[in-house]
Amino acid sequence: DQQVKQNSPSLSVQEGRISILNCDYTNSMFDYFLWYKKYPAEGPTFLISISSIKDKNEDGRFTVFLNKSAKHLSLHIVPSQPGDSAVYFCAATYKAAGNKLTFGGGTRVLVKP
Amino acid sequence: GAGVSQSPSNKVTEKGKDVELRCDPISGHTALYWYRQSLGQGLEFLIYFQGNSAPDKSGLPSDRFSAERTGGSVSTLTIQRTQQEDSAVYLCASSLISTGGVGGYTFGSGTRLTVV
Repeated sequence: DQQVKQNSPSLSVQEGRISILNCDYTNSMFDYFLWYKKYPAEGPTFLISISSIKDKNEDGRFTVFLNKSAKHLSLHIVPSQPGDSAVYFCAATYKAAGNKLTFGGGTRVLVKP
Repeated sequence: GAGVSQSPSNKVTEKGKDVELRCDPISGHTALYWYRQSLGQGLEFLIYFQGNSAPDKSGLPSDRFSAERTGGSVSTLTIQRTQQEDSAVYLCASSLISTGGVGGYTFGSGTRLTVV
């Protein structure tokens, strides 16, 4: 039972354009959502997060949107840069889970120069 | 150290042998997690240590898997009688549990385990 799903395994985008990564969840107890970025042979690194009391959080070129009614969140990267080429994981948790994260399957992003 | 350190970075073992994977978390981080990533898959939760509380072992796939965290610091994940399906990248992470909410994890670079 996949509680967090990233339905697009890969995404290709031109440098300077917007990258939009999507994530859906099924567990209505989730109240905190995070995005991680992973380069090959490295561990994932924290990118941006959002609490369920908000619907948007922005940090530089990265913005996360949360639609609680649809149980959907998205990550926007604008403008996309070649260094953004990586695998992006969506993750979710709730306080009673003890901060244990449930991850999606990841989306591989390729930014073409 | 400055980050989460995992050793070895790569391990090739024969089917049926036991392996031990080590994680050295960031000093002062109270929480430690083990995840694994099989080829083409997402990150699968294995086990979670928080301070002196009993660990959350709900993600361990079988009784061949066990983990310890000694002195609230270093952790060892042990896989007994390894099988080919155990081949994966095993990732360790640590975090500070803040009263204000969830902190992001800091992951190590992982141990790539190959069972032949």
